[in-house]
Amino acid sequence: EPEVTQTPSHQVTQMGQEVILRCVPISNHLYFYWYRQILGQKVEFLVSFYNNEISEKSEIFDDQFSVERPDGSNFTLKIRSTKLEDSAMYFCASSAGTGVTDTQYFGPGTRLTVL
Amino acid sequence: SQQGEEDPQALSIQEGENATMNCSYKTSINNLQWYRQNSGRGLVHLILIRSNEREKHSGRLRVTLDTSKKSSSLLITASRAADTASYFCATVINFGNEKLTFGTGTRLTIIP
Repeated sequence: EPEVTQTPSHQVTQMGQEVILRCVPISNHLYFYWYRQILGQKVEFLVSFYNNEISEKSEIFDDQFSVERPDGSNFTLKIRSTKLEDSAMYFCASSAGTGVTDTQYFGPGTRLTVL
Repeated sequence: SQQGEEDPQALSIQEGENATMNCSYKTSINNLQWYRQNSGRGLVHLILIRSNEREKHSGRLRVTLDTSKKSSSLLITASRAADTASYFCATVINFGNEKLTFGTGTRLTIIP
């Protein structure tokens, strides 16, 4: 069964450093998402991406964040200058159709620790 | 109040018993979904129910949706130790607002 994959599984970085989190969505999916979960808190939406552009973003997704689909398979989240409060589990998700019509399938997550 | 709040926050039952978790939400929705999360791991999709549906089944799972009360319930029958996890409801509002908004979750522990 196709799965969303994410790398790395755990990333440790110093405050102020740039990080890139990578995701490979399910191959025939067209809609891509990033969510995050701070330890002990609920899962929060960051951004959705369709047709090579951002379709929706939350207040969390400020100028420090960016997303890219550099090729036909990868979907990346970049944080330009990490802060302590960026420490969280970051989940990538993909769906065949819109969130209204289709299930979003999640990857296993990348645990980001900012020191 | 927040879109998507589960109750109870934590539930412990004996293996073989049924587990019921509830979710309430605030705005009108297009669909509601339930996800499971094992400790520190990814989210596994369980079931999606649309606003025009009232009940849905999948194996040992039964989900109901009451749009008049803005609430949903997830029933797991004949629970197993492997069902121990956190369970989240998540809502999608409509076209143009298609992100998942997650609830706070119910931590379910099945006692062998």
